[in-house]
Amino acid sequence: GNSVTQMEGPVTLSEEAFLTINCTYTATGYPSLFWYVQYPGEGLQLLLKATKADDKGSNKGFEATYRKETTSFHLEKGSVQVSDSAVYFCALSDHGGATNKLIFGTGTLLAVQP
Amino acid sequence: EAGVTQFPSHSVIEKGQTVTLRCDPISGHDNLYWYRRVMGKEIKFLLHFVKESKQDESGMPNNRFLAERTGGTYSTLKVQPAELEDSGVYFCASSQEPDFIRGDTQYFGPGTRLTVL
Repeated sequence: GNSVTQMEGPVTLSEEAFLTINCTYTATGYPSLFWYVQYPGEGLQLLLKATKADDKGSNKGFEATYRKETTSFHLEKGSVQVSDSAVYFCALSDHGGATNKLIFGTGTLLAVQP
Repeated sequence: EAGVTQFPSHSVIEKGQTVTLRCDPISGHDNLYWYRRVMGKEIKFLLHFVKESKQDESGMPNNRFLAERTGGTYSTLKVQPAELEDSGVYFCASSQEPDFIRGDTQYFGPGTRLTVL
């Protein structure tokens, strides 16, 4: 079945460091790919999405490119801030049948230190 | 515009008791999803409503879980009787028209943290 694998956390970085959180997926068909973020005490928020191969999603300085050849959707940011500290979830949209349920990875906790 | 709201934010109950979680989706959103995250693991799909109809309930763990969405507005998820393994965070999400080509954007609530002792 479809699945998402993302790197284990926690990831601890200093402010202004470069961030990469790896995400790979297994899917039949052509899923859409998402990154969601959960800030402390809040719900999940959509960070970015990509709906087809080679699409790049971007938001708030974060980017991820849909790579079909490597089945990956790695999240990157050039210079992280303390306010980026959160749990990041990679997900795919399973278009099977008449539902668009999301399949999530386990989440990666990012801690950015000043 | 109000986002997805969930009530309660926290619930602590004893094994064998009943708990009912509530989700109010964004107004006008026909699609409503329930998910849960257990013990820091991945967030798992439970079920999907389109208006008041259950479109997909393949993720419901067993018959101790009952979800309803009467009138196609808010939804409730009842756990009866609760077991220790039901502890976790229950998320609700809603979306507008389903997009089976690109995937609809789901808007999540803050979640209900359920602790079963």
